[in-house]
This record gives sequence, structure tokens and C-alpha cells, in this order.
Amino acid sequence: AQRVTQPEKLLSVFKGAPVELKCNYSYSGSPELFWYVQYSRQRLQLLLRHISRESIKGFTADLNKGETSFHLKKPFAQEEDSAMYYCALGGSNYKLTFGKGTLLTVNP
Amino acid sequence: ETGVTQSPTHLIKTRGQQVTLRCSSQSGHNTVSWYQQALGQGPQFIFQYYREEENGRGNFPPRFSGLQFPNYSSELNVNALELDDSALYLCASSWEGQGNGYTFGSGTRLTVV
Repeated sequence: AQRVTQPEKLLSVFKGAPVELKCNYSYSGSPELFWYVQYSRQRLQLLLRHISRESIKGFTADLNKGETSFHLKKPFAQEEDSAMYYCALGGSNYKLTFGKGTLLTVNP
Repeated sequence: ETGVTQSPTHLIKTRGQQVTLRCSSQSGHNTVSWYQQALGQGPQFIFQYYREEENGRGNFPPRFSGLQFPNYSSELNVNALELDDSALYLCASSWEGQGNGYTFGSGTRLTVV
């Protein structure tokens, strides 16, 4: 079975501080991991995917198969990063399994 | 790019009724998935269509059904509505499945009373 755990429902940091949003997954096959973001009053949008190993808006995420984790990191948080972040796991039957999300608030 | 559009944006139905939600996929996308998002939860996979055939289904009963048309637009039908069906229903499209990432619509907020 596919499962995604985001242990923090809420995360609050100050502007300029590092931020790490945790994601752990459970999957017996070869996983495809994604981070989606939803800004206030906007639709859910893809932030990054592990397969492309890219950095978007200063965010990076490394897939750690040993720890079954895909944590999202940014060295210096900005106020505009405040949003809801969802980690998602792709499986062999094409479905995406989402975590419950972490609401990030970056305070000035 | 036109993005993914969903209609209607809001809907109120009575328990036991049937509802049809519609989705227009992003131009060029041949895969569409539907998700249910309850308040405070992440989206839950309902099913996926690829080139007009269902090719994946989540843990939803048969009263949740769908269609994908040759122009890649899609419908989600729910029969015998229950109060617990109240949720945001999201449509997402992609090219050749999830690997390329999905483009989501803004959703249809369904309230069952």
C-alpha cells in the first residue's frame, strides 16, 4: 500500500530562517515523489519532482530511499513562501497519494 | 496553454441525488485524474483515465464513475449522494501519466444536504 506521512500540520518560521518540511513515504516499488504547493486562494500546483532534481523558488528535496523520506528544504524562507505544502507519492497504477499537508507560515 | 478548468465551481445537492462534474483538460494532455479533498485532508485519488479508458481506481465505491471524451475533457458522476460526499473535487491532467506532474483545476465544491 502507498502511504505518505507529513508529521507537521503547522510550521511557523521567521523570514530568513531555514525551513524543512518533512515527508516520509511507504511504498514497496520504485517511488516517484513530488511536492505540490497551494498558495492562498490559488489552485494546487506542482513545486518540484525528485526525478528532475531541480530547485524551484529556492526549494530543494532529496529522495532518501534508506530513510524513505523526501523532505523539502529552503535555506532562507521568504514571506511569499507561506502556503500549504503537500508531499505526493506516485505508484505503478498512476495514482498519486498525497499527505495531509503542512501549512507553512513565514513571519516577518 | 489554457490550463485545467472545472465546472461548476460550487454545487449544492440533496442526499440521494446524482451529480455530474465537468473538467476540461489542459491542451495536449491525454491523462486525467479526479481527486476528492475533504476539509483538512490531502486530495484522495478517485480514478484516472488515459486515452478514454479507466486505468486506475482508488478506494471509492462504484457509484463514483467517470468518462473521458476524445477531446480529453472529462466527467465525474456520483450517484446516490451521501452527506460524506461533501468535499472539493479536483480534476488534474497530464501528458502520459503522473511522471510529468499534474496540472490541477480549481475544483468544484460539492455540498450534500
